[in-house]
Amino acid sequence: AQKVTQAQTEISVVEKEDVTLDCVYETRDTTYYLFWYKQPPSGELVFLIRRNSFDEQNEISGRYSWNFQKSTSSFNFTITASQVVDSAVYFCALSEAMNRDDKIIFGKGTRLHILP
Amino acid sequence: ETGVTQTPRHLVMGMTNKKSLKCEQHLGHNAMYWYKQSAKKPLELMFVYNFKEQTENNSVPSRFSPECPNSSHLFLHLHTLQPEDSALYLCASSRTVQETQYFGPGTRLLVL
Repeated sequence: AQKVTQAQTEISVVEKEDVTLDCVYETRDTTYYLFWYKQPPSGELVFLIRRNSFDEQNEISGRYSWNFQKSTSSFNFTITASQVVDSAVYFCALSEAMNRDDKIIFGKGTRLHILP
Repeated sequence: ETGVTQTPRHLVMGMTNKKSLKCEQHLGHNAMYWYKQSAKKPLELMFVYNFKEQTENNSVPSRFSPECPNSSHLFLHLHTLQPEDSALYLCASSRTVQETQYFGPGTRLLVL
């Protein structure tokens, strides 16, 4: 069974600090996809990144970076020099390539507060 | 990509009302989804449509009735809802199932 765990329910940091959001996943598939989504107060989930299981290179996009470690089944997300606009709920998600249920499984989310 | 729209954005209805939520995607995607997000629960997948065919119904009560007339439109018909159905209802689409899902802004539903 596939599972996504975001152990941090809520995090608060002061603006300009770096913050890392943890994501640990479970899957029996060798081919799978991992995602991060951002949900600002407006409600819409905004796609941030998709990573397949064969690509373990870390990704950097501006102030955002992702650390994919298959050895620890983790796909952590770091925001550098955080800003108030980064305040949102962040969801990690997993999709198995051979999953016949057509599901993407979402974690419970981490609510991030960036304090001015 | 932000080509998924949902209407209405906010809805208040009584338990005896019938209403419909509409979702439209302009991305040429073939799969569409309904999710429910309530305050105390994580995102719950409700329905999946792939090429207009329903491929998943996650034990959703019959008072929620989806309809997918074509690959671009998805409806969620509501009738005889309960107060616990109050939530944010999100629609998403993807090119194929397993691929990245793009979400609409959601409909905030309040059932009185």
